[in-house]
Amino acid sequence: AQSVTQPDIHITVSEGASLELRCNYSYGATPYLFWYVQSPGQGLQLLLKYFSGDTLVQGIKGFEAEFKRSQSSFNLRKPSVHWSDAAEYFCAVGASYSGGGADGLTFGKGTHLIIQP
Amino acid sequence: DTAVSQTPKYLVTQMGNDKSIKCEQNLGHDTMYWYKQDSKKFLKIMFSYNNKELIINETVPNRFSPKSPDKAHLNLHINSLELGDSAVYFCASSPRPGFTYLGHGNTIYFGEGSWLTVV
Repeated sequence: AQSVTQPDIHITVSEGASLELRCNYSYGATPYLFWYVQSPGQGLQLLLKYFSGDTLVQGIKGFEAEFKRSQSSFNLRKPSVHWSDAAEYFCAVGASYSGGGADGLTFGKGTHLIIQP
Repeated sequence: DTAVSQTPKYLVTQMGNDKSIKCEQNLGHDTMYWYKQDSKKFLKIMFSYNNKELIINETVPNRFSPKSPDKAHLNLHINSLELGDSAVYFCASSPRPGFTYLGHGNTIYFGEGSWLTVV
């Protein structure tokens, strides 16, 4: 069965500093990988996704992620964080359910990002 | 225009009651989902419908019954609410049911969530 691990439950970063959020996945087939962000009291917003091709993926709000098959990782990065980036970040893998033909997202447990002034 | 909209956003109710959460998408998608986010913020898929047909049912108690009157709507009805049902319920939609369906991939779009508190 597929799984996603986000090793860091909380990360604190100073405003203006760089950020890297870690994500490791386990999935037997070609992974379809996603990062979502959830601001307090809000829904889930898609930051970026990887399906194939270039392993460095650009997303919204200045985020990027790099797919490394050899490490089963899909880490999220941002060169300079802003206070508005404080939120919960979820990595997810798209996987088959119900014997195939129906896919859904399997999420990691999230990383809570705190921005220090 | 909200792409995936859910109502109500907040719901507080007593144990034993029956409640429904409604979801509508105006994206023209074929597939809709319900996800549950527990108190530890863990998100897990509950159901998926494609063109009104149930295609994913992830070991959810029978008290939860999804209903899709048409492909733009997926409602979630919960009978005999329990304290453990307190969670955020997210509706979502995607163009197709499978990530492998399209060469350039499929994306799931989420609603803003419905915060259910059972007291």
